[in-house]
Amino acid sequence: GENVEQHPSTLSVQEGDSAVIKCTYSDSASNYFPWYKQELGKRPQLIIDIRSNVGEKKDQRIAVTLNKTAKHFSLHITETQPEDSAVYFCAAFNNYGQNFVFGPGTRLSVLP
Amino acid sequence: GAVVSQHPSRVICKSGTSVKIECRSLDFQATTMFWYRQFPKQSLMLMATSNEGSKATYEQGVEKDKFLINHASLTLSTLTVTSAHPEDSSFYICSADQTRDRLYGYTFGSGTRLTVV
Repeated sequence: GENVEQHPSTLSVQEGDSAVIKCTYSDSASNYFPWYKQELGKRPQLIIDIRSNVGEKKDQRIAVTLNKTAKHFSLHITETQPEDSAVYFCAAFNNYGQNFVFGPGTRLSVLP
Repeated sequence: GAVVSQHPSRVICKSGTSVKIECRSLDFQATTMFWYRQFPKQSLMLMATSNEGSKATYEQGVEKDKFLINHASLTLSTLTVTSAHPEDSSFYICSADQTRDRLYGYTFGSGTRLTVV
């Protein structure tokens, strides 16, 4: 089955700097890769996603890149703000398996 | 946007009792709902996939007799934790598949924090 690894597990950056979180997946059939932001005790919120037919997607300060050959995808947050502090989860999904596999999460701290 | 309502948000129960958690899609029909469990500071672990009108598919290591899932309609799935024990204390969260209504994506419920004492 699918296995998703995520690095780093914790990340601290200064406000205004960029943050990058990387995930790798094992199942080449995976075709949808969402990123979720989860604040303490709350539900995960989808912040950006990318499908396997696209290499990069950007939404304001957030971007995601996908390398299908290497089977990895990354979340990029620019001009970080304290409210970006949260746990971020990547996930991989394929229509055949019909389920998500989540990465272990990255705790991002943006220091003012 | 698509909304998934999950109740209760918090529940405390005595060891040995059962607890039912409901997950409703409010403005779309969900043929498939997923149930996850999340322990503190850990990722979401899929427990089971719930398909409307059929038996749920459980992940390896998840006891189907302990975690009863019912998906009786296109808008409601329930998870019942039977004979709960303290080790079942966790954050349970559902998500719904919107693809039936051609809304690509998965929406999460607000989660249920279960504490078994």
